[in-house]
Amino acid sequence: DTGVSQDPRHKITKRGQNVTFRCDPISEHNRLYWYRQTLGQGPEFLTYFQNEAQLEKSRLLSDRFSAERPKGSFSTLEIQRTEQGDSAMYLCASSPRDRLAYEQYFGPGTRLTVT
Amino acid sequence: AQSVTQLDSHVSVSEGTPVLLRCNYSSSYSPSLFWYVQHPNKGLQLLLKYTSAATLVKGINGFEAEFKKSETSFHLTKPSAHMSDAAEYFCVVSDANRDDKIIFGKGTRLHILP
Repeated sequence: DTGVSQDPRHKITKRGQNVTFRCDPISEHNRLYWYRQTLGQGPEFLTYFQNEAQLEKSRLLSDRFSAERPKGSFSTLEIQRTEQGDSAMYLCASSPRDRLAYEQYFGPGTRLTVT
Repeated sequence: AQSVTQLDSHVSVSEGTPVLLRCNYSSSYSPSLFWYVQHPNKGLQLLLKYTSAATLVKGINGFEAEFKKSETSFHLTKPSAHMSDAAEYFCVVSDANRDDKIIFGKGTRLHILP
């Protein structure tokens, strides 16, 4: 399967712990996006990369959140000192070079539960 | 500023009957509009897109949507529902001047009754 993959698919952690999620985009896609989706809501934009450069961060992305894409390929999203309000589905999407934002290909998501 | 409102959080239809999922948008510029579908445990998938060409847009799986500027609407329709259409549907808007960002509505869950 050559689609967007995310790991892990599910994560349960205790409040205060750090967690890290990984996203592997479609190989030739240079744009990579992170979203958060809570129950009953649509996905909300968190941040995006063009190659290894992080070009925009939403105000939803507090200083406990950090994202990297060190070699312009896979990306990681880390949440430090998790809170119960961080419980959500974290979605990754990628987009081909020079294509508009709507043509995003989404991964299956990582569901985070903070207890 | 862009925003999108999906008027129904849940819609139930019988198999074989028409589907209508409603979406209204607000945009300072000429918008691009899309519908995505999310099946359980699967990634979001683009159903169709409007980008200032034909106002009636045809998508996958028999879905279509009509852009009505006077009503600021982009409703999704299908003539005959199938059980496999049961999913969450998101209306999405993009600012044509900002091609790097899209904004999702809150979603409409479509239930298909046998």
